[in-house]
Amino acid sequence: GQNIDQPTEMTATEGAIVQINCTYQTSGFNGLFWYQQHAGEAPTFLSYNVLDGLEEKGRFSSFLSRSKGYSYLLLKELQMKDSASYLCASMDSNYQLIWGAGTKLIIKP
Amino acid sequence: IAGITQAPTSQILAAGRRMTLRCTQDMRHNAMYWYRQDLGLGLRLIHYSNTAGTTGKGEVPDGYSVSRANTDDFPLTLASAVPSQTSVYFCASSDDRTGGPDTQYFGPGTRLTVL
Repeated sequence: GQNIDQPTEMTATEGAIVQINCTYQTSGFNGLFWYQQHAGEAPTFLSYNVLDGLEEKGRFSSFLSRSKGYSYLLLKELQMKDSASYLCASMDSNYQLIWGAGTKLIIKP
Repeated sequence: IAGITQAPTSQILAAGRRMTLRCTQDMRHNAMYWYRQDLGLGLRLIHYSNTAGTTGKGEVPDGYSVSRANTDDFPLTLASAVPSQTSVYFCASSDDRTGGPDTQYFGPGTRLTVL
């Protein structure tokens, strides 16, 4: 079957680094997306990985290992505004997104 | 440019009533989607449309219908609402679903409560 797993909640300190992991089982895998969703708002696109390796975009980086069915989102120099839920989604052979339940990230001063 | 708009922002509805959630995009995207988001669950696809004039069923289509008369609009109708349809509904669009793994862009959502 198709499945996505990510931790329910994480806590980190302002200025620190946090890594949010995501594992997936997806038939006909066509890439892995990360979205950010602030409470009461719409998800917004952060990153897309289809090849193995690390993609860096400012304070945010995303990593993919296709052989391990594993991805992570790395957030550096955490700011209070990074408090949000982070959604992992894999794309299947029909280009349909399979979504994880999201990881709620709490940033403490 | 507004992107994607949804209406209403929120609605309380009596069970058994008919309700249409509206979604409009001005990005000329070919593909559009309706998701529901419930606490503790990932976004679940209700219906999608690859292009104007075509629609398809997602993971949880029962109790919902859609139409795609033109590129911009993709309304979602609940024919006879039930309490289990209480959720936050998001509309999304992407440039071309069948042409490759395109990024989906989301509307602000509609919070629906069915009593």
